[in-house]
Amino acid sequence: EPEVTQTPSHQVTQMGQEVILRCVPISNHLYFYWYRQILGQKVEFLVSFYNNEISEKSEIFDDQFSVERPDGSNFTLKIRSTKLEDSAMYFCASSAPGVGSNQPQHFGDGTRLSIL
Amino acid sequence: AQSVAQPEDQVNVAEGNPLTVKCTYSVSGNPYLFWYVQYPNRGLQFLLKYITGDNLVKGSYGFEAEFNKSQTSFHLKKPSALVSDSALYFCAVRPYSSASKIIFGSGTRLSIRP
Repeated sequence: EPEVTQTPSHQVTQMGQEVILRCVPISNHLYFYWYRQILGQKVEFLVSFYNNEISEKSEIFDDQFSVERPDGSNFTLKIRSTKLEDSAMYFCASSAPGVGSNQPQHFGDGTRLSIL
Repeated sequence: AQSVAQPEDQVNVAEGNPLTVKCTYSVSGNPYLFWYVQYPNRGLQFLLKYITGDNLVKGSYGFEAEFNKSQTSFHLKKPSALVSDSALYFCAVRPYSSASKIIFGSGTRLSIRP
C-alpha cells in the first residue's frame, strides 16, 4: 500500500535556525497537509495546500512558516527562525482527489523536531 | 467553538471482550467524522469514516463506529478485542465549512490484556 514518507525522522536544531521538513505524499494525491503534535497535546492542523497554493491555514501558521512543493513529488515545511516552542512531532498528510472534502487523509510517520 | 472530545484517556479491556472508545463532537452543520489509530513511533493510520448514509460504518481490522446525530457522538467499537488492537485512538472531525482542516480529539489509549 502506498505511503506518505517523511524525512528526517528526528531533527535537532539550534533556536533561531531555519529548518526544512520534507515529505513525499502518495503519488496520485493532490491535497497536502501539515499537522503538529506537541508532546502530550492534541494533533493540531497547520496548513493545507492544493494546486500550488495554500487553501487553508491555522492561527499557528504564522509568517515564520512556509510550505512549498518544489517539484512533482516533494512537499516541504520550512520554519524560518525556530523557537523553543516549535519542538513537536510534525506530520505530513495527503489525500486523493474526490467528491468534496470527504477523502481520508493519509499520514506519514512524522518528524520529531527538537529545538535546543 | 468546534471541538472533539474523547472523555477517556485510557480504556482497558480483556482480550475477546467487546470494546468501545467514546467520542463526541461539537461543530456547526453536518460533519465528516473519522477514526485514526496510532501505533508507537508511527503516524496516524486511517480506520474509518462517516460522511452520510448508514449510521453504522465499518472499517479496518474489524472496527466499526456508530454515528448518533442527536447525541453528537461517534463511538468506536469492536465486538471482540485483540491484544494487537492496543494503541492510541483518535477521533476526528472535518467541519462541513472547512475544505481541509481536521480537528482531532485528545486521543484514547486502548490497552487489551491477554
